[in-house]
Amino acid sequence: KQEVTQIPAALSVPEGENLVLNCSFTDSAIYNLQWFRQDPGKGLTSLLLIQSSQREQTSGRLNASLDKSSGRSTLYIAASQPGDSATYLCAVKEGGNKLVFGAGTILRVKS
Amino acid sequence: GAGVSQSPSNKVTEKGKDVELRCDPISGHTALYWYRQSLGQGLEFLIYFQGNSAPDKSGLPSDRFSAERTGGSVSTLTIQRTQQEDSAVYLCASSLGLVPYEQYFGPGTRLTVT
Repeated sequence: KQEVTQIPAALSVPEGENLVLNCSFTDSAIYNLQWFRQDPGKGLTSLLLIQSSQREQTSGRLNASLDKSSGRSTLYIAASQPGDSATYLCAVKEGGNKLVFGAGTILRVKS
Repeated sequence: GAGVSQSPSNKVTEKGKDVELRCDPISGHTALYWYRQSLGQGLEFLIYFQGNSAPDKSGLPSDRFSAERTGGSVSTLTIQRTQQEDSAVYLCASSLGLVPYEQYFGPGTRLTVT
C-alpha cells in the first residue's frame, strides 16, 4: 500500500528565506506527483504537476523535483512571502488513477 | 473558465439522517473524483468516474456511501444514516481524463454530523 510522508509537519520562517519541503513515497510505480496548496477553510490549489518521466517543474518562485527511483520529491520556494503561508500537500497518482496524499506541511512565513 | 463547484459549502445534519453533496466539474472534464478530508485521516480517495466506464468505488468506507454521475457531468455523493465519524470536508476534483492529467479541486463541502 502506497504511503506518502511529508517532512517537516510544520515550518516557520522569516520573510525572504528560501525553503524546501520534502515528500517521500514508498512505491515508486507512480504516474505523476502533484504539489498542492491549501489555505484554511479552502479547497486545494494545484501548484505543480511532475510526470513520472520528468525530473522537475518550475512555476515562478516554485520548483519541484522528482526522484522516482528513490521515492522522493522536494518543493523549493524561493524568497518566501507572507502570502505563501498555507498547508502544502504532496500527492502521487498510482494505478487506479487515485491520488494518495501526504499529511501536509503547514508553512508560516513571518513578516 | 469556471472551476469545480460544490454545494452546499456547509451542511449540518443530525445523526441518522441522509445527506446529498453535489459537485459540478469543469466543463469538458471526463474524470470526476471524490475525496474526504478529516482531522484524523488526512485526505482520502473515495470514488472516481471516467466517462461511461464503471466507477472505481474502492475508497468508499462503507455501504452507506454511494455516488452517481448523471449525463457525464454533475455528480452527487450520498451518505445514508450519517454517523458522527462521517464529519469531514468532502472534496470533489475533475480532470480532462485519467493519466497523466492534473486534478482540479473544488472548495469542498464541510459536513458536520451532530
